Amino acid sequence: GAVVSQHPSRVICKSGTSVKIECRSLDFQATTMFWYRQFPKQSLMLMATSNEGSKATYEQGVEKDKFLINHASLTLSTLTVTSAHPEDSSFYICSAGDRVVTEAFFGQGTRLTVV
Amino acid sequence: AQKITQTQPGMFVQEKEAVTLDCTYDTSDQSYGLFWYKQPSSGEMIFLIYQGSYDEQNATEGRYSLNFQKARKSANLVISASQLGDSAMYFCAMRRPISSGSARQLTFGSGTQLTVLP
Repeated sequence: GAVVSQHPSRVICKSGTSVKIECRSLDFQATTMFWYRQFPKQSLMLMATSNEGSKATYEQGVEKDKFLINHASLTLSTLTVTSAHPEDSSFYICSAGDRVVTEAFFGQGTRLTVV
Repeated sequence: AQKITQTQPGMFVQEKEAVTLDCTYDTSDQSYGLFWYKQPSSGEMIFLIYQGSYDEQNATEGRYSLNFQKARKSANLVISASQLGDSAMYFCAMRRPISSGSARQLTFGSGTQLTVLP
């Protein structure tokens, strides 16, 4: 099946710094990518929908100035957590899909710890 | 709005036995897709099985089968011959149709933690 690669898998950063997470579709063109956040022992919550060549659509309650999303090409979307705080520590995972592929493919996820 | 309900926060099953994980959903769409994913402790989301709302046959993928009861709005996952490696969190999810105009994001249930006992 199609592969989505997410990098890094794990990152520790200091409060106030920014962290960039990459999500790549390796063998198909992803017109749309999705970013989810997951707290321990909880479900995945959609943060935003990233559309190639246009602005991301953020879910209610998600700060777009804090979680910057860029979908500059059909194979790459990035999520930047700006001015990270300890409460931003979480598991972030992306998925990618197009109008043909049935299942949504997920990246490996990124475990962010802000100290 | 769509809603997925998984009422079993945790389930235990003996190795080699079958187990059913419950999932009910609520939607006003006539066309929709239902998914099951496995999430081991590493965090990756592993696609298991898909059922389209107009599929007449229940989906099967190896040891996984989906017991789809449209009238009851349920999409239970059946895992046969459980293995120790099946221990993980399992999520049921729904996706709206392309015709709805929405992007193809998934709405997830709260998950069921399955533990396979030796």
